Amino acid sequence: QVQLVESGGGVVQPGRSLRLSCAASGFTLSSYGMHWVRQAPGKGLEWMAVIWYDGNTNYYADSVKGRFTISKDNSKNTLYLQINSLRAEDTAVYYCAREPGEQQVDNLFDYWGQGTLVTVSS
Amino acid sequence: DIQMTQSPSSVSASVGDRVTITCRASQAISTWLAWYQQKPGKAPKLLIYAASSLQSGVPSRFSGSGSGTDFTLTIRSLQPEDFATYYCQQANSFPLTFGGGTKVEIK
Repeated sequence: QVQLVESGGGVVQPGRSLRLSCAASGFTLSSYGMHWVRQAPGKGLEWMAVIWYDGNTNYYADSVKGRFTISKDNSKNTLYLQINSLRAEDTAVYYCAREPGEQQVDNLFDYWGQGTLVTVSS
Repeated sequence: DIQMTQSPSSVSASVGDRVTITCRASQAISTWLAWYQQKPGKAPKLLIYAASSLQSGVPSRFSGSGSGTDFTLTIRSLQPEDFATYYCQQANSFPLTFGGGTKVEIK
């Protein structure tokens, strides 16, 4: 069955960098688009980034463009989110989520990981 | 960016009630609209896509409607497991955006 497991979160000082991972199983990353969505404590959902199934196209939220980089390693079936110059407002649970359609772009999220908490604090 | 506005922000209802949540887009998005349910401490769950299509495995008491800028999620005969927060999301264009959420609470 489809499973997504995030890791890499923790407490980080402002200005530092962090790389989040999302290990996928039950499907192959090379066939599905993948997203990162975050949720600040007690707040709503905020879409961060997408990488298309072919790995050639990425889009980012305006608030993180230039600081966040989405990537994937198909050989490891793992999605990544590199976060640089961390700010207090980046404190959130970060979820990876899968597109529902194989080799298509629907901009939807049908499977989600359990999330990994990033806390930015000195 | 397309802004998504949900109302109400919270609603109190009883088991068996009919609950309606609305979502308005700041510009027309055809039927590129999805609804998600989120319970505390859990990841969101896709309920409805393309404004009115029921995701596989979702109970038929959930339904969606609308097109253009105005959309509705209806829960017919609320069940105990439906108490949660609901989000709409526009899938029309990047950046993808969510509504602020509607918390359905027990009356």
